[in-house]
Amino acid sequence: DGGITQSPKYLFRKEGQNVTLSCEQNLNHDAMYWYRQDPGQGLRLIYYSQIVNDFQKGDIAEGYSVSREKKESFPLTVTSAQKNPTAFYLCASSIVGGYGYTFGSGTRLTVV
Amino acid sequence: SQQGEEDPQALSIQEGENATMNCSYKTSINNLQWYRQNSGRGLVHLILIRSNEREKHSGRLRVTLDTSKKSSSLLITASRAADTASYFCATEANQAGTALIFGKGTTLSVSS
Repeated sequence: DGGITQSPKYLFRKEGQNVTLSCEQNLNHDAMYWYRQDPGQGLRLIYYSQIVNDFQKGDIAEGYSVSREKKESFPLTVTSAQKNPTAFYLCASSIVGGYGYTFGSGTRLTVV
Repeated sequence: SQQGEEDPQALSIQEGENATMNCSYKTSINNLQWYRQNSGRGLVHLILIRSNEREKHSGRLRVTLDTSKKSSSLLITASRAADTASYFCATEANQAGTALIFGKGTTLSVSS
């Protein structure tokens, strides 16, 4: 079955640590996206990529980094520079240009 | 920046009633999309309406788009308890190489 997989489902980070969230898709989609969701809020765009080896910053890219070395994979690193990383992180993929997104089931990151 | 603003923020109805949610946005768009999110889960794409369309139907869903007022509405007819979820509108700007911008959502509660 085609789909998009995020792992882990839950992640705990100590202060000052970098952590990497995984996102893999087998839908053959060119575009992939990372969003952050805080309680009771909508989704805010962190980074997106429409082609391998290229990506663009979203509205809240500070403290995050990404790579797009393979079409199937778009990992997100939450760095120690992100001061308030506790949130629900959602990855999505799509065909480029005017189509709906397919979302993963999310990773809940908590700073301990 | 959050492009869309949904109204109301929360809606409580009885099974069998219709639910209407509204979305307003700010800039020119290629299309507007509606998504559903069950608590703690990823988003599911419901329907996409392009800027040259005025109304679209999918099962019990009816979406309208008024580009002159920069607004859209989602109507769910004959609501069921299983429709309980948060609903988000998202806009794709009329500009190449952009990602969807989401609103803050409407939380719908359907009681039996």
